Amino acid sequence: DTAVSQTPKYLVTQMGNDKSIKCEQNLGHDTMYWYKQDSKKFLKIMFSYNNKELIINETVPNRFSPKSPDKAHLNLHINSLELGDSAVYFCASSPEWVGYEQYFGPGTRLTVT
Amino acid sequence: KQEVTQIPAALSVPEGENLVLNCSFTDSAIYNLQWFRQDPGKGLTSLLLIQSSQREQTSGRLNASLDKSSGRSTLYIAASQPGDSATYLCAVSGGGSNYKLTFGKGTLLTVNP
Repeated sequence: DTAVSQTPKYLVTQMGNDKSIKCEQNLGHDTMYWYKQDSKKFLKIMFSYNNKELIINETVPNRFSPKSPDKAHLNLHINSLELGDSAVYFCASSPEWVGYEQYFGPGTRLTVT
Repeated sequence: KQEVTQIPAALSVPEGENLVLNCSFTDSAIYNLQWFRQDPGKGLTSLLLIQSSQREQTSGRLNASLDKSSGRSTLYIAASQPGDSATYLCAVSGGGSNYKLTFGKGTLLTVNP
């Protein structure tokens, strides 16, 4: 059973396009996250939702918009893609937003050409 | 602002050796510290979570210690195996960064048969 899943696994697109990445967790967790891992492998949080409410919103261009339709899903929509958006995007979840382990999905490798 | 440093950046050891990976953080007011493993092209796997009130956690051949006052954690791997080869990431929650995880850049471990 996959705990945290993401689709697609790979995404290649051209500059200026709009794309979405989907994340689902079947762990019954309340909190979900989006992270970005850049070309230097540095991992940094972008957003976090707790019970469908946005609780962390880092300094991310407003071309990035997360959406949580329910506790088990957190999607990431990116408008007007730029070359610098190329990275691996990871979704994660935890039981609550303080003090618990985070469980990561397999990642979505986004390449913008 | 919390900063996490991991030393060394890369480590190569022969199979069977015991080894230590180091992690330091600048703000000791953390909630917890988590060690992850990342295999090439894969997501992160949580190895150990140490709460701020704890001194260490053990799982199999892995032992993680936490010295919150000095801002340090170590991950000890006993009797290393080639399958332990991966990047090991340290992340802390809290310490001026609220509840979000702040990651180090990782230690790339290679265990040679």
